[in-house]
Amino acid sequence: KAGVTQTPRYLIKTRGQQVTLSCSPISGHRSVSWYQQTPGQGLQFLFEYFSETQRNKGNFPGRFSGRQFSNSRSEMNVSTLELGDSALYLCASSLVGPETQYFGPGTRLLVL
Amino acid sequence: GENVEQHPSTLSVQEGDSAVIKCTYSDSASNYFPWYKQELGKGPQLIIDIRSNVGEKKDQRIAVTLNKTAKHFSLHITETQPEDSAVYFCAARVTSGTYKYIFGTGTRLKVLA
Repeated sequence: KAGVTQTPRYLIKTRGQQVTLSCSPISGHRSVSWYQQTPGQGLQFLFEYFSETQRNKGNFPGRFSGRQFSNSRSEMNVSTLELGDSALYLCASSLVGPETQYFGPGTRLLVL
Repeated sequence: GENVEQHPSTLSVQEGDSAVIKCTYSDSASNYFPWYKQELGKGPQLIIDIRSNVGEKKDQRIAVTLNKTAKHFSLHITETQPEDSAVYFCAARVTSGTYKYIFGTGTRLKVLA
């Protein structure tokens, strides 16, 4: 079974721009969670989607948003990028939610 | 608030020795504790997990123990090998109301050949 895939793997943007990251979960998994990983803050939960609905949300500003499609693929969007948004963005999928999560390789975003 | 403390932040061991990483969680509603290994340039990979109704679980050279009373859980790696070198994260799943995972800050393990 193919694992979680994320595209693109690397991105360079400038302050003020917006960015969209994509995540394809493991086949059959319907829950997708997003995390931001930085050296200083570690792994922080952004939000979780299930059946095209945001079910859980972390403590991030409204510039961070996401959505999920009917095939369970998910996208997250960051608008008005700031330098502090530079991070590794990880996507994790699970069957329906609270079970074991499996992570993708991440998208490394650099904001200049 | 919900918090997971992880120690040590870095750990160096000689090849063949054992390594122990410890985590403490704050929310008594936590009921599932996975451990992840993250290698450079990759996403975290699940290596072992334990549920709150079990005290210990073992998988070859890796074991996890859980002390619910003390809210401690630990990862034990025996007979370490150079390929065990990575960053290890513990996590606690909280399921009060909704659910979410709280992660520890990570331990960088170096196995010296």
